[in-house]
Amino acid sequence: ETGVTQSPTHLIKTRGQQVTLRCSSQSGHNTVSWYQQALGQGPQFIFQYYREEENGRGNFPPRFSGLQFPNYSSELNVNALELDDSALYLCASSLGDRTGELFFGEGSRLTVL
Amino acid sequence: GDSVTQMEGPVTLSEEAFLTINCTYTATGYPSLFWYVQYPGEGLQLLLKATKADDKGSNKGFEATYRKETTSFHLEKGSVQVSDSAVYFCALSRYESWGKLQFGAGTQVVVTP
Repeated sequence: ETGVTQSPTHLIKTRGQQVTLRCSSQSGHNTVSWYQQALGQGPQFIFQYYREEENGRGNFPPRFSGLQFPNYSSELNVNALELDDSALYLCASSLGDRTGELFFGEGSRLTVL
Repeated sequence: GDSVTQMEGPVTLSEEAFLTINCTYTATGYPSLFWYVQYPGEGLQLLLKATKADDKGSNKGFEATYRKETTSFHLEKGSVQVSDSAVYFCALSRYESWGKLQFGAGTQVVVTP
């Protein structure tokens, strides 16, 4: 149990729609990172938020956007959904102490039809 | 760019057998190295880590040594249990981008009674 909670756990959308995924970080953690894990693959870094500002981004198009709130919870928004966006989306929080140790939630499983 | 390569699975073992999962990396400088484990239906959990060359990470009977000369971080356990059945991910991160983990593709381990 990492203390990182994500919602919803499962959702189904159709191509072209928009989705918002939510994450509550572990108490005391000021950094949130988002990852996309396609079936049978390792997680891919989407972006990171540190104290409400984006602090690093992976190779994902601008239709992937995020937000971090003053309580350090976070949202991942994906616009104009494509079939390839079907994946498990993982949120991870950390202390921002540069150790690289992340605490992951159980993920949100997105299916795009 | 940075990359992590780990042996393909599934790896099927009998209980009490010896487990090795190979992991090699490509990166400049001195990244931190991690093993994360993903049990069925759960999020990723940090298993062990090493932050500098020759460091040995250990946890729950698992060990891995950071070998700079061979750019490797192989995971070992002397006697596996059925409860060790999971997907294991090798990963690296850099000090300057600590929230960004570069994962390998994962190795599924199946331990049979």
